[in-house]
Amino acid sequence: GENVEQHPSTLSVQEGDSAVIKCTYSDSASNYFPWYKQELGKRPQLIIDIRSNVGEKKDQRIAVTLNKTAKHFSLHITETQPEDSAVYFCAASKGSNTGKLIFGQGTTLQVKP
Amino acid sequence: TAGITQAPTSQILAAGRSMTLRCTQDMRHNAMYWYRQDLGLGLRLIHYSNTAGTTGKGEVPDGYSVSRANTDDFPLTLASAVPSQTSVYFCASSPGQGNYEQYFGPGTRLTVT
Repeated sequence: GENVEQHPSTLSVQEGDSAVIKCTYSDSASNYFPWYKQELGKRPQLIIDIRSNVGEKKDQRIAVTLNKTAKHFSLHITETQPEDSAVYFCAASKGSNTGKLIFGQGTTLQVKP
Repeated sequence: TAGITQAPTSQILAAGRSMTLRCTQDMRHNAMYWYRQDLGLGLRLIHYSNTAGTTGKGEVPDGYSVSRANTDDFPLTLASAVPSQTSVYFCASSPGQGNYEQYFGPGTRLTVT
């Protein structure tokens, strides 16, 4: 079946450095790719998303890139801050034009002050 | 505006007992979803509903049932709980009709003993 692989599972960076999290997906029909941030004990929150007709999207310190040919997409966080510490999940739509999401396994990001 | 709420916050349930997890949203979103979150496995879709009156199966539907009698409510029922259903359950909603951004409820932590 369709799946989403996410790497790395843990990532530790110094405050001010950049962090990159990568995901690959298997369903060539997927056309919606959101990223969620989940702080400890809290609900997942949407931080950025991208659709398949766009190669890159940026929102202040975060950006997402998509390579449809290779079926992978990445989250980039620049100038990391301690409050960026959380678990990040990527997801891909199951098929196209569907709200059903398949999530990656998550990346625990630790930003050291 | 409350957004999306879930009840109860947490529950300990004896194996073999039934339970209904409640989810309510006041955003008039068409689509609603139930996920379970287990360590190392990310979020997995249990059931979904694209609009009131319709439901569908996700990745891990066995042992769970849902109903969508109206736009606001999407209860999840465990007919006969088993220990493997110990998890954190998240309900989510999205506007639908081309807008797939999902907003999550605060979650229900369920322990089946």
